Amino acid sequence: GAGVSQSPSNKVTEKGKDVELRCDPISGHTALYWYRQSLGQGLEFLIYFQGNSAPDKSGLPSDRFSAERTGGSVSTLTIQRTQQEDSAVYLCASSFGQGMATGYGYTFGSGTRLTVV
Amino acid sequence: KQEVTQIPAALSVPEGENLVLNCSFTDSAIYNLQWFRQDPGKGLTSLLLIQSSQREQTSGRLNASLDKSSGRSTLYIAASQPGDSATYLCAVPENTDKLIFGTGTRLQVFP
Repeated sequence: GAGVSQSPSNKVTEKGKDVELRCDPISGHTALYWYRQSLGQGLEFLIYFQGNSAPDKSGLPSDRFSAERTGGSVSTLTIQRTQQEDSAVYLCASSFGQGMATGYGYTFGSGTRLTVV
Repeated sequence: KQEVTQIPAALSVPEGENLVLNCSFTDSAIYNLQWFRQDPGKGLTSLLLIQSSQREQTSGRLNASLDKSSGRSTLYIAASQPGDSATYLCAVPENTDKLIFGTGTRLQVFP
């Protein structure tokens, strides 16, 4: 596609429910990244995919968070048993090759605003 | 571990002023540096990407410089306009697989 697409754009969920956030990267971009931005905070790295593999999951806050990528394209970030502190904007980015290591920058989607009530 | 600092944290200026936003990073062994803009409630828009071998990049009224040895980058905005109001973020890679972001400079340009 022309850009990185994320859905839904907004999600309100009850505490304790599971949610799935979707990211559709730019066609041909092999690298995909998830970040989280809490209110008034900076961007927090969550996980990095190269193809369907996740060489770096170090930013996932707890075992309630998981992500997968299929076909080297679409990625889903799943949060189980949501808590109020999970409320944030979840941003996805993609890049060609290994992104910053090969000189290509990131392109970000518009994000999913998650509110846990 | 890479740490990125941006100053000032906030800036409010009248239209037409030339601006300088600063970014510093602790690990100078970077491949490149990227400047982004974020509008309220929106995602990030890439402004400029400077390779480690470059000293500056220009796009319209924006000019970004990079001094790897001192761990600094500067974003210069010429003849600021109200439409430039946004948060400006700089980011550098840590290892090869992720960007580390500064906390941003929140810019307001008033008419």
